[in-house]
Amino acid sequence: QMQLVESGGGVVQPGGSLRLSCAASGFTFSSYAMYWVRQAPGKGLEWVAFIRYDGSDKYYADSVKGRFTISRDNSKNTLYLQMNSLRAEDTAVYYCAKDSLILGIGWYFDLWGRGTLVTVSS
Amino acid sequence: QSALTQPASVSGSLGQSITISCTGTSSDVGIYNLVSWYQQHPGKAPKLMIYEVSERPSGVSNRFSGSKSGNTASLTISGLQAEDEADYYCCSYAGSSTLLFGGGTKLTVL
Repeated sequence: QMQLVESGGGVVQPGGSLRLSCAASGFTFSSYAMYWVRQAPGKGLEWVAFIRYDGSDKYYADSVKGRFTISRDNSKNTLYLQMNSLRAEDTAVYYCAKDSLILGIGWYFDLWGRGTLVTVSS
Repeated sequence: QSALTQPASVSGSLGQSITISCTGTSSDVGIYNLVSWYQQHPGKAPKLMIYEVSERPSGVSNRFSGSKSGNTASLTISGLQAEDEADYYCCSYAGSSTLLFGGGTKLTVL
């Protein structure tokens, strides 16, 4: 069955860096756009970043632009989020999510991972 | 860009119907038919319930329906069941390859 599994979360000091991974299985990863979405403790969902199926386009929320980088390795069926210059307000569960359209962009998420917690604290 | 506006909470009795609103602007909800809705139970990942304003993914109960009028999208749940108690989030494409979520609505089934 289709599955997304995030990893790489943990505790990091303000100003530090962390790289999240999302391993995909059960579908042709290289055919779908992917996203990162986060949720601060007790708060709502926030879209973070998007990457086209072939990695040719990447877009970011203003809150992370210039600090976070989304990437993918289609040969490894894996999505990444490199997070630099981390702030306390970046503390959240980070979910990876899959777009529904093959070789296109539907701008909605039909499959989510279980998330990985990132805590930015000294 | 500001988050879409949802009521913080709604409630309804078993078997009744409820509607959750999601208000945006003419730059997001009002101009694009790319509104989706997600259900999230505590400690779980969100689940897609509605996409493209009113389309329902296979496997989602037909008790869930979506609509849009002007800058406001709505999610209606009919025949409320205990398992519908959850948080619900709307999401809209907002142009320039960006997405906006609503603040979320906590549904309580009485």
